Amino acid sequence: LAKTTQPISMDSYEGQEVNITCSHNNIATNDYITWYQQFPSQGPRFIIQGYKTKVTNEVASLFIPADRKSSTLSLPRVSLSDTAVYYCLVGAYRSGTYKYIFGTGTRLKVLA
Amino acid sequence: GAGVSQSPRYKVAKRGQDVALRCDPISGHVSLFWYQQALGQGPEFLTYFQNEAQLDKSGLPSDRFFAERPEGSVSTLKIQRTQQEDSAVYLCASSRDRPDYGYTFGSGTRLTVV
Repeated sequence: LAKTTQPISMDSYEGQEVNITCSHNNIATNDYITWYQQFPSQGPRFIIQGYKTKVTNEVASLFIPADRKSSTLSLPRVSLSDTAVYYCLVGAYRSGTYKYIFGTGTRLKVLA
Repeated sequence: GAGVSQSPRYKVAKRGQDVALRCDPISGHVSLFWYQQALGQGPEFLTYFQNEAQLDKSGLPSDRFFAERPEGSVSTLKIQRTQQEDSAVYLCASSRDRPDYGYTFGSGTRLTVV
């Protein structure tokens, strides 16, 4: 499965838009791109998933260029409660199994 | 249930002891995963079930690790003869038939081997 690379950490201020970019150069045709958020002492929480172009939901947008070798998670107007680790992963159904590989994630710190 | 439930929430085991970690997935969810998360690291895949069938156990680190889901619902991860390197948070996740759309994690069991 494709390995993902993300910045280790980012700082932002409340009210700003935050963009976290992930590279996945070896993404396969059937792979989806998924982002999770994790707070301390909790399991990861699904944020958004996409295959190509742009996907938007109530909490985030996901931008995927045509070559799909990278993706960008966009969090509009972050608040202190968005301080968390954000994981980008790719995965697909292959040979009867699903497997998603997490990287080390991006630690986002939102400052007042 | 409303979410994925894991028990116990915390477990302290003496080195060499056997432990069993339980996962109650969301009712009706076909797919179930176990992940291991060391401090400061991302979760690492251990194993995957579809109903009662264990379709992928390639992530289990040694033959001391064993997972089962006999009736396609509750799953148990068993670790025999625990070692200090087994100390981690063990996360369970479940999904409907196509986890392409993301899956729901439990809060995990924090295992500390002393």
